[in-house]
Amino acid sequence: RKEVEQDPGPFNVPEGATVAFNCTYSNSASQSFFWYRQDCRKEPKLLMSVYSSGNEDGRFTAQLNRASQYISLLIRDSKLSDSATYLCVVNGIGGFKTIFGAGTRLFVKA
Amino acid sequence: ETGVTQTPRHLVMGMTNKKSLKCEQHLGHNAMYWYKQSAKKPLELMFVYNFKEQTENNSVPSRFSPECPNSSHLFLHLHTLQPEDSALYLCASSQGSGPQETQYFGPGTRLLVL
Repeated sequence: RKEVEQDPGPFNVPEGATVAFNCTYSNSASQSFFWYRQDCRKEPKLLMSVYSSGNEDGRFTAQLNRASQYISLLIRDSKLSDSATYLCVVNGIGGFKTIFGAGTRLFVKA
Repeated sequence: ETGVTQTPRHLVMGMTNKKSLKCEQHLGHNAMYWYKQSAKKPLELMFVYNFKEQTENNSVPSRFSPECPNSSHLFLHLHTLQPEDSALYLCASSQGSGPQETQYFGPGTRLLVL
């Protein structure tokens, strides 16, 4: 089983749609969780951290479910500029170690 | 954005060549990282340095040799690479090395080994 798993997609959605991504992780001792965004041929950039209580940043909502070992990202009112690959990142396995998921591709169409 | 810079941006090398990738961070961070991103595969953490000391080496082949002369600079020395080493090599930095730290990435060096 992969340490961090994501649905690779692609997700093709119209502008204004709501889309949700899930990510599962295998190590229950994982300590911190993030969503990064990577545009085509660009470097990853932090989108948001994920906290146990769930957190929201504008149109983006991230949630963590430790019991089921998954995190989610919800994007409301999708924009064309949201088209990118969304990377799930899990930290803290056996000391400081960062594990990236393979990413979920999102295409938002006009 | 010029927080983390990498040179060169593109590199083509033969299997017998020796080359070096350079990373510089202008953020005052103490931790630096090398990642490899191959096509359709997740980013793979290669090395971690914290206050110039290597704290993580994810079983990377010895043909990749990192060097961290100070907290702002990180090098990846390459020698006798294989075609399967062709990938995007990303450098990142963070303030500290704790699991809550946000990592800031450079634009990467796209490497092709012939």
